[in-house]
Amino acid sequence: GAVVSQHPSRVICKSGTSVKIECRSLDFQATTMFWYRQFPKQSLMLMATSNEGSKATYEQGVEKDKFLINHASLTLSTLTVTSAHPEDSSFYICSGSRGLNTEAFFGQGTRLTVV
Amino acid sequence: AQSVTQLGSHVSVSEGALVLLRCNYSSSVPPYLFWYVQYPNQGLQLLLKYTSAATLVKGINGFEAEFKKSETSFHLTKPSAHMSDAAEYFCAVSEGGSSASKIIFGSGTRLSIRP
Repeated sequence: GAVVSQHPSRVICKSGTSVKIECRSLDFQATTMFWYRQFPKQSLMLMATSNEGSKATYEQGVEKDKFLINHASLTLSTLTVTSAHPEDSSFYICSGSRGLNTEAFFGQGTRLTVV
Repeated sequence: AQSVTQLGSHVSVSEGALVLLRCNYSSSVPPYLFWYVQYPNQGLQLLLKYTSAATLVKGINGFEAEFKKSETSFHLTKPSAHMSDAAEYFCAVSEGGSSASKIIFGSGTRLSIRP
């Protein structure tokens, strides 16, 4: 299988600051990347889909100005949580695929805690 | 719209006993179906997937699942539970084709193993 790496694995930030999470495909070109959010003891909710070089498509209810997604290269997508608040504390997981019609591979996740 | 329903948020079995985790799906097109496992504070690991080939799918760690179109089910089984199987399990669906990598998750089932 292919490898997707997320960084950092854990991050603590102060309320009001922004934090960036990176998602890298290490051994393949990820044309499409997905970002998910998981609240404690809950399932993964799809936040957005991003295609390299295009604007991300956000799911209903996800604030695009709050969660900025950049997919500027075929191996890197970033999620920036802007003006973070404690309610943004969550587990964020990305996945990447070579295209929409191919298998997606998941990163190991990033646990964000906003204090 | 596609969705999956996992029956039972928590399943507890004795070590050595049969594991059965239930999943029903809803899809207007032939679906791709997945089972993922998540260990505490970790990302997702793909256990197995159904992509319209054989209806009985064998995965890693001795797990298997059977696609039953008439019942719209994709239950996960393992003949003999091991302590290391304790984790959260997610059933998931995608449309396949051009949306194969856009995955929608069920609510999850936490599997506990009694000694």
